[in-house]
Amino acid sequence: AQTIHQWPVAEIKAVGSPLSLGCTIKGKSSPNLYWYWQATGGTLQQLFYSITVGQVESVVQLNLSASRPKDDQFILSTEKLLLSHSGFYLCAWSRDWGDEQYFGPGTRLTVL
Amino acid sequence: GEQVEQLPSILRVQEGSSASINCTYENSASNYFPWYKQEPGENPKLIIDIRSNMERKQTQGLIVLLDKKAKRFSLHITDTQPGDSAMYFCAASVDSNYQLIWGSGTKLIIKP
Repeated sequence: AQTIHQWPVAEIKAVGSPLSLGCTIKGKSSPNLYWYWQATGGTLQQLFYSITVGQVESVVQLNLSASRPKDDQFILSTEKLLLSHSGFYLCAWSRDWGDEQYFGPGTRLTVL
Repeated sequence: GEQVEQLPSILRVQEGSSASINCTYENSASNYFPWYKQEPGENPKLIIDIRSNMERKQTQGLIVLLDKKAKRFSLHITDTQPGDSAMYFCAASVDSNYQLIWGSGTKLIIKP
């Protein structure tokens, strides 16, 4: 069975500080990977997608970057946090494009 | 950018009755339409989806309808139960750009 793990569970960070969020998928080789941002009580905004290791495409510009250093690992990061970065960050995977996306448990980020 | 409009934002129905949520999309090339349910503090989970080669799909008390001409799709929950209370999101995707556009969500409240 496939499992998806995100870390950390929650973060409280200062404006201007760096950030790194991680996501690992076990049990599935070469998954499609996605990063989403969700404001409290709001809709999901797709940030990045990756269909293969080393390749990441940006969907929106939010002063964030993403990398896929390994087939099963997806990293979201920024060098300088903004207040607007607060929210719920969700990693997801799918077998192929157009298939069900399976979401991780998410990371709650609060920027003060 | 492309949008998916979802209505209503809040829906209150009596337990045992039906609930309907409607979404419209802009891109006529959209060909995959999933519906996700998100409970408070949890990640979204797929409940049903439909592809553009179908007009209707039904599973376990859920019905989804797709009208490609009107660029509209809808979710119908029959015989609602307290466990159906949650946020529901529709989404639409186009194969060519690996992007899932999400609706703004509907908070479904089942009244006992």
